[in-house]
Amino acid sequence: DVKVTQSSRYLVKRTGEKVFLECVQDMDHENMFWYRQDPGLGLRLIYFSYDVKMKEKGDIPEGYSVSREKKERFSLILESASTNQTSMYLCASSLILYEQYFGPGTRLTVT
Amino acid sequence: GNSVTQMEGPVTLSEEAFLTINCTYTATGYPSLFWYVQYPGESLQLLLKATKADDKGSNKGFEATYRKETTSFHLEKGSVQVSDSAVYFCALSGANFGNEKLTFGTGTRLTIIP
Repeated sequence: DVKVTQSSRYLVKRTGEKVFLECVQDMDHENMFWYRQDPGLGLRLIYFSYDVKMKEKGDIPEGYSVSREKKERFSLILESASTNQTSMYLCASSLILYEQYFGPGTRLTVT
Repeated sequence: GNSVTQMEGPVTLSEEAFLTINCTYTATGYPSLFWYVQYPGESLQLLLKATKADDKGSNKGFEATYRKETTSFHLEKGSVQVSDSAVYFCALSGANFGNEKLTFGTGTRLTIIP
């Protein structure tokens, strides 16, 4: 079974803090993705990566950056957290041209 | 750009009722189409998919047919169960390398009452 794990299920941070969300997959997938999920908006892609050290902006990259130093790990970084970044963050991975597998999500609250 | 429009929720049905959740899309080329489901307290999981026109995806009694002429991928089930209560997302992705990001609809919350 494919396993995608995320470092925290719940996280509370203060405005202005730098926040790291970690995602690890154990199936040697080339592609990894970060989405945020908000009620009424569905899921929106923040960034994705199709190889180590490669990254592409998604639909809403502003205020975020990513890092992929190893194939199995994809990190999302909030450089200076703001209250409008309070959301559920979902990581996913896939083989090229195959279905995406999602992690359990991190519910981030920025106060 | 790509977009997905799906039926607004919430939807409440009685057990054994027939279910349809509408989904239409706008995309260039020939996207792949998906339905993902999110059960309470769980993350998203793939329910079914179709990769070319007229394909029918099916799983757990759910079906959806890729209709290119109407740009639709409606989800159907003949007899729903309480355990089908979840949020359903229609999504599409490009079918070529580097264009595989998923574009999601806003989700439809389904509640089945006994």
